Order: sequence, then C-alpha cells, then structure tokens
Amino acid sequence: GENVEQHPSTLSVQEGDSAVIKCTYSDSASNYFPWYKQELGKGPQLIIDIRSNVGEKKDQRIAVTLNKTAKHFSLHITETQPEDSAVYFCAASINNSGGSNYKLTFGKGTLLTVNP
Amino acid sequence: DSGVTQTPKHLITATGQRVTLRCSPRSGDLSVYWYQQSLDQGLQFLIQYYNGEERAKGNILERFSAQQFPDLHSELNLSSLELGDSALYFCASSPGQALYEQYFGPGTRLTVT
Repeated sequence: GENVEQHPSTLSVQEGDSAVIKCTYSDSASNYFPWYKQELGKGPQLIIDIRSNVGEKKDQRIAVTLNKTAKHFSLHITETQPEDSAVYFCAASINNSGGSNYKLTFGKGTLLTVNP
Repeated sequence: DSGVTQTPKHLITATGQRVTLRCSPRSGDLSVYWYQQSLDQGLQFLIQYYNGEERAKGNILERFSAQQFPDLHSELNLSSLELGDSALYFCASSPGQALYEQYFGPGTRLTVT
C-alpha cells in the first residue's frame, strides 16, 4: 500500500520567515495530494491540495509543489504569522472519477511553531 | 467550521464496553470516511461509505464496525474496548465520485480506562 514520509517532524521559524515541509510517497498511482492544518483540539482542516496533472498551486501565502518523477511534494508558507502555528499533515490518495478508493494516507505530521 | 458534525465530543468508558460514535456529513456529501488518530500510529484510515454502501476498508479491527444510514449520517461502533483503542476518531465527508476533497469533523476523543 501507499506510504507517505513527512519531514521535518518539528519546525520553528521567526515571524515573517518562510516555512517548507516536504513529503514523499511510494505509490506512483497516487494522483491527489492534500495538505491539512490541525490546531489543538480541532479536526484537520484542508488548506490546499494539488492533483498530479499540475506541478504547482498557490493560494495567497501558501503554495504546494509536486514532482511526480521524484514522488515528492512540498508545502511552502511565506510571511509566516503566529496563527500559522499548528500541526501540518500531508496526504496522498489514488482517485479516479469512476472509482471509490479515495482513502487518504497521511504523513506523520510537522509541528510548526512561528515565534513572534 | 467544516460543516461535518460529530457526537459526542468526549467519551470515557471501561475496557470491554461498547460505544457508538456518530457523524453527520456536510450537506450534499455522499461519502463518509472514518479515521483514527493516535500518537503512535498517526492518522489512519478505517473505513469508507458511499451513499449507504461500504466502499473501502483500511486498518479496521474486527471489533469495529460502521454503517451509513439513508439520511447519510454514519455511525462507528467499537466493541470489546481495550486500552489501546483510546484515540481521537474523526469522520470526514466528501461529495464523492470525481469531487474528492475530504472535510473533517471536530472528532470524538475516546478514553478507555
């Protein structure tokens, strides 16, 4: 089955700096890669996702890049703010419009701390 | 707020007991997923239902079962509980078919004593 590795496990940055979290996946059939933010006591919140037919996607301060050949994808957060502090999870999934196997395989998470 | 609701928020029970966790998906979403989150295993997929039918199974124990009702809410039943079943249980929903973004509920924290 799919295996997703995520690094680093913890990341501490100064407010205003950029943060990068990297993930690798094992199954070349995976074609959907979401990122979730989880704050203490809450459920994971979908913040951005990318499909395998694009290499990069951006949403304001957040961007995700995908390298299908190397089977890795990354989350980039620019101009970090204290409210960005949370645990971030990457995930991978094999999806097709006619199928049903949309389960997500998650990385172990990255605890991001943004220091004011 | 994702629009996915889960009850109860917290559950404390004893070993050997049985509990039921409930999930209501976002309006219009046909697919429901259950995940378990623990410190050692991380977020693990348990089971998926689509429009009332089981569609995929993950690392779900035989002591656990789930169902999705005609109104699309879902229940996860955990029986013969063990200490190791203590975890956060999340439900997620998605429209299904070609639209597969998953939105998570707030979770149920289960503590088995």
